[in-house]
Amino acid sequence: AQSVTQLDSHVSVSEGTPVLLRCNYSSSYSPSLFWYVQHPNKGLQLLLKYTSAATLVKGINGFEAEFKKSETSFHLTKPSAHMSDAAEYFCVVSGDTGNQFYFGTGTSLTVIP
Amino acid sequence: KAGVTQTPRYLIKTRGQQVTLSCSPISGHRSVSWYQQTPGQGLQFLFEYFSETQRNKGNFPGRFSGRQFSNSRSEMNVSTLELGDSALYLCASSRDRKNTGELFFGEGSRLTVL
Repeated sequence: AQSVTQLDSHVSVSEGTPVLLRCNYSSSYSPSLFWYVQHPNKGLQLLLKYTSAATLVKGINGFEAEFKKSETSFHLTKPSAHMSDAAEYFCVVSGDTGNQFYFGTGTSLTVIP
Repeated sequence: KAGVTQTPRYLIKTRGQQVTLSCSPISGHRSVSWYQQTPGQGLQFLFEYFSETQRNKGNFPGRFSGRQFSNSRSEMNVSTLELGDSALYLCASSRDRKNTGELFFGEGSRLTVL
């Protein structure tokens, strides 16, 4: 069975400081992993994805994530937070077939000016 | 190109009523998935349609149903509404059924059940 755990429900950082959003997953096979972002009253947008290629994945807006199989983790990072990064972030693991995906409960990122 | 369009964006119903939500995927996308988003449960998978056939179904009661038309547009229906059905219902489309693919989400239909 697949599951995703986002270790922090809320993260607060100052503008210009690094961002770390933590995600652990559980899967009975080699999954694809994703990070999505949801701004208020908007749909979800893909930030980046890992699909068994390079373990360090670069996404949009300066975000990147590293797939660590030994730790079953897929943490999202960004060197310097911007005010526009304030949003809800979801870590997602693929199901074994088709378009069934499993979402974490989300991490709300606040950026303090 | 146009994104995923969901209608209506907001609606209010009372317990016992039924509701139908509509989703128009991105042109050329054949897979449509539905998710329920609530503050307590996060995003939960409802079902996926591809080529007018339901391919996957999440753990929801039979009151939740859906269908897909030949033009890939999809509808979901919830009958005998309960207070707990209040949620943001998100539709996502993708070109195919590869689980490495990107989902493109609409802005959702926010249902309030009174």
